[in-house]
Amino acid sequence: LAKTTQPISMDSYEGQEVNITCSHNNIATNDYITWYQQFPSQGPRFIIQGYKTKVTNEVASLFIPADRKSSTLSLPRVSLSDTAVYYCLVGRGTGKLIFGQGTTLQVKP
Amino acid sequence: GAGVSQSPSNKVTEKGKDVELRCDPISGHTALYWYRQSLGQGLEFLIYFQGNSAPDKSGLPSDRFSAERTGGSVSTLTIQRTQQEDSAVYLCASSLPVRSTGSTDTQYFGPGTRLTVL
Repeated sequence: LAKTTQPISMDSYEGQEVNITCSHNNIATNDYITWYQQFPSQGPRFIIQGYKTKVTNEVASLFIPADRKSSTLSLPRVSLSDTAVYYCLVGRGTGKLIFGQGTTLQVKP
Repeated sequence: GAGVSQSPSNKVTEKGKDVELRCDPISGHTALYWYRQSLGQGLEFLIYFQGNSAPDKSGLPSDRFSAERTGGSVSTLTIQRTQQEDSAVYLCASSLPVRSTGSTDTQYFGPGTRLTVL
């Protein structure tokens, strides 16, 4: 499974757009890119998944360049409740997820 | 609908005792996973079930750890002769494998069981 690298922490203010970039240089041809969010004292929650180009849902957007060696999770107009740890994962199909350290996002008022 | 549930939510035990942690997956989900998360750390995979079989047990840290799943539903993670380093939050997740594409299954996590070994 491809290893991912993302910043350990980020700070932002309410109302700003936050972009978290993840690098996955060894991503395999069939791998998908998935992001999970984890609040304190809760299990992770799926946010978004993509294979290439751009994916958007009601929560976030995911930008994937043509070489797929990195991806960027974009959170529009964050609020205090978006303070959480965000995990980037790559893989395919059914099986274990490999979680790294994640990015701790702190949103300030 | 009901999500993944785990019990107990908290468990305090003494070193050397055995503990059992229970997971009730989302109804119909054939895949079930156990992870653990130590304080301030990422999630560590333990074991994966497809139905009642465990094709991947690679994450179990020692032979003190075992898990079973019955009826393709409830799973129990057992830790024998607990040690202080076993203290962590134990998370269970379930998923419904997507056959039509190669995308990664979405795993739905329970709230976890916080285990403290004194």
